[in-house]
Amino acid sequence: AQKITQTQPGMFVQEKEAVTLDCTYDTSDQSYGLFWYKQPSSGEMIFLIYQGSYDEQNATEGRYSLNFQKARKSANLVISASQLGDSAMYFCAMREARRMDSNYQLIWGAGTKLIIKP
Amino acid sequence: DVKVTQSSRYLVKRTGEKVFLECVQDMDHENMFWYRQDPGLGLRLIYFSYDVKMKEKGDIPEGYSVSREKKERFSLILESASTNQTSMYLCASSRGTGGRLNTEAFFGQGTRLTVV
Repeated sequence: AQKITQTQPGMFVQEKEAVTLDCTYDTSDQSYGLFWYKQPSSGEMIFLIYQGSYDEQNATEGRYSLNFQKARKSANLVISASQLGDSAMYFCAMREARRMDSNYQLIWGAGTKLIIKP
Repeated sequence: DVKVTQSSRYLVKRTGEKVFLECVQDMDHENMFWYRQDPGLGLRLIYFSYDVKMKEKGDIPEGYSVSREKKERFSLILESASTNQTSMYLCASSRGTGGRLNTEAFFGQGTRLTVV
């Protein structure tokens, strides 16, 4: 079963509009962390934002915010006032506490390709 | 500025060749990772290392091996390259998580490998 599901393979959005990228996850852990990364065409993965499962408030980092709905197991990324430079692949990832001893467990979604139109 | 550097951006190799992909980080991180990225599949972990000379298999280790002789360097080896190993390969590093869920990984720019 997919642990991280990103249902939108691709999205087109008009510049300056807000955009929401979907991410749902599956875990039986109570303690986990959720990440969003951006991958421009240059290839490098860039960390955007983190949300802990016990964080009471939704994470925000500049134009990025995370719409965290724990009961629904969703962690959607919201980009406000999109810019041409936001065109990239976006990946959602999860780390589960019960796998911390293995020290590596970031589980990745398939990604969403976002294209911002001028 | 933190850096993870992969030795090649693009590589073309012949079937059966032994291929080395090199990765160096300058952040004194304990953990290093090799991922493979294919369209529609996201990132899949091949191998990771949490210390010098230590390695652990990830989700898809078959056909690959790794070497970590120094803390800053983590090499991915394709013993006998095959066409189904044509892919984008990403190296990453992170601090030891030390119980912290929010430890982020830093990535290199990727190596696009084509096996012909």
